[in-house]
Amino acid sequence: DGGITQSPKYLFRKEGQNVTLSCEQNLNHDAMYWYRQDPGQGLRLIYYSQIVNDFQKGDIAEGYSVSREKKESFPLTVTSAQKNPTAFYLCASRTTSGGYNEQFFGPGTRLTVL
Amino acid sequence: QKEVEQDPGPLSVPEGAIVSLNCTYSNSAFQYFMWYRQYSRKGPELLMYTYSSGNKEDGRFTAQVDKSSKYISLFIRDSQPSDSATYLCAMNAGRANFGNEKLTFGTGTRLTIIP
Repeated sequence: DGGITQSPKYLFRKEGQNVTLSCEQNLNHDAMYWYRQDPGQGLRLIYYSQIVNDFQKGDIAEGYSVSREKKESFPLTVTSAQKNPTAFYLCASRTTSGGYNEQFFGPGTRLTVL
Repeated sequence: QKEVEQDPGPLSVPEGAIVSLNCTYSNSAFQYFMWYRQYSRKGPELLMYTYSSGNKEDGRFTAQVDKSSKYISLFIRDSQPSDSATYLCAMNAGRANFGNEKLTFGTGTRLTIIP
């Protein structure tokens, strides 16, 4: 059963702590993405990766870091430098063959800073 | 001014009605247009994908693009309570893999179908 999984579903963090959100896909997609969703705002791109061991900053990369050591995995770390980290975080992926733009999303992780 | 404008709603219609959801955009370079459906506390699900101007139909859903007006629409026929969700439009300037990775999203329209 192919798809994108994100864990945990809910995450609570104290101020000053770093947390890592997991994203795994078994769709054999090369490109993976992290978005942040806030009420009343569209999805905003944090980081993306088109290939293993390479990634690019999106529009709001400050306070976040990523790694792409395996094709299937693209974890996101929310660092203590992120000033307003409470949000719904979405991971997406797409195939790079054919140049299609459709991105497929995981179920999301809701992060709350206490 | 945002690149993509979408009325946030909420929009409530009776079951069986035709629903019209819309986005306007300012970037004339946008060529690829997508509609996503997002249920509460879930990830967005791709509904429709269209290129350039014209119509595309898939079951009860029709996507329409008018590039001259910079206006896209999603029509839902015979609406069902299960269609109650937030609908997001997204668009892109060119084919991915050519430096066009970024999708620009609308803020979403919250739709409720009343039984």
